[in-house]
Amino acid sequence: AQSVAQPEDQVNVAEGNPLTVKCTYSVSGNPYLFWYVQYPNRGLQFLLKYITGDNLVKGSYGFEAEFNKSQTSFHLKKPSALVSDSALYFCAVRDTNAGKSTFGDGTTLTVKP
Amino acid sequence: KAGVTQTPRYLIKTRGQQVTLSCSPISGHRSVSWYQQTPGQGLQFLFEYFSETQRNKGNFPGRFSGRQFSNSRSEMNVSTLELGDSALYLCASEGTGHSPTGEAFFGQGTRLTVV
Repeated sequence: AQSVAQPEDQVNVAEGNPLTVKCTYSVSGNPYLFWYVQYPNRGLQFLLKYITGDNLVKGSYGFEAEFNKSQTSFHLKKPSALVSDSALYFCAVRDTNAGKSTFGDGTTLTVKP
Repeated sequence: KAGVTQTPRYLIKTRGQQVTLSCSPISGHRSVSWYQQTPGQGLQFLFEYFSETQRNKGNFPGRFSGRQFSNSRSEMNVSTLELGDSALYLCASEGTGHSPTGEAFFGQGTRLTVV
């Protein structure tokens, strides 16, 4: 069975400061990891994914994520937060053999001016 | 290219009724997944269809069913609606092959309210 944990329901940061949204996962095989963002009354939008290769993955809107196999983590980061980054962020995992993704409960990011 | 289209966007139904939601995936995509999103339960996987066959299924009662047509369009049906079925139902389409490595493209969802 695969699972994802996003330990923080809410993350608050000031505009211009770095942000981190945490995610840890559990899979039986090799993990495929994804981050999505959801704005109010909208579907989820893909930000970035880790399949293989470099542990640091760069994605849309200046976001990046670091894959750490020993800690089974895939934290989302951005060097300088914008107010427009305020949204709900979901981490998702899929193992090699699964056809479905398992999503975390989501983390609400609020960036204050 | 056109994104994932879900219809209708909003729906109000009465307890005991049934409802059918529609999802048109991105052209060429063969996999369609359905999710239920509620404030209390988060994003819960319902089922996935690939080439007209249900490939994966989540832990929902049999009142929730789906199907996929030869053009990859998918429908989801919920029978005997309950108040707890009120949620945002999201559809996602993926890739052109049998691969788990692609990202999912989500529609804007159908907001179902059961009264």
